[in-house]
Amino acid sequence: EAQVTQNPRYLITVTGKKLTVTCSQNMNHEYMSWYRQDPGLGLRQIYYSMNVEVTDKGDVPEGYKVSRKEKRNFPLILESPSPNQTSLYFCASSPRAAANYGYTFGSGTRLTVV
Amino acid sequence: GENVEQHPSTLSVQEGDSAVIKCTYSDSASNYFPWYKQELGKRPQLIIDIRSNVGEKKDQRIAVTLNKTAKHFSLHITETQPEDSAVYFCAAGSGSARQLTFGSGTQLTVLP
Repeated sequence: EAQVTQNPRYLITVTGKKLTVTCSQNMNHEYMSWYRQDPGLGLRQIYYSMNVEVTDKGDVPEGYKVSRKEKRNFPLILESPSPNQTSLYFCASSPRAAANYGYTFGSGTRLTVV
Repeated sequence: GENVEQHPSTLSVQEGDSAVIKCTYSDSASNYFPWYKQELGKRPQLIIDIRSNVGEKKDQRIAVTLNKTAKHFSLHITETQPEDSAVYFCAAGSGSARQLTFGSGTQLTVLP
């Protein structure tokens, strides 16, 4: 089944403790991206990747890191999480590195930083 | 960059009535307009999309219309059902853009 898989689904952590949210797609998509969703603020892009080893900042990149060493994986790293990073996170992928194809979203990761 | 405005932010309709959500975009280069449905606690899912070479597209009870001159596009849901209750997002993009630009979302509630 074609899908984007995120893990974990839920995560509670403490301020400053490094964490990684994994994202993997099995559709050979070129484009991958991370979004955060907060009430009243819609979907905001954190980072995106046009292909392997090609990443760039989205609209709200502060406090996050990403890597794209393999085409299928695009982990999101929070090196020193803070409470303002408490949010619902979605990974998304698209067939081509152009914004005229639909995104497939993962199931989401609800992160709480205390 | 592209800017997408979506209205209304909330919409309540009686079951069986129609619902219309409207979006405007700013970048005349945009040529791809998808709509996503997000049920409570779930991922956004693509429900329909339209490209700029067509003016309307239908899929059963949902349809999307595009007016390139006015730079706006709309989602139409007919014969609404309680399971249509969700947040709907519009988006706009183009081959030269690095990302889809999303609207702020519309919470649709279908009242039984």
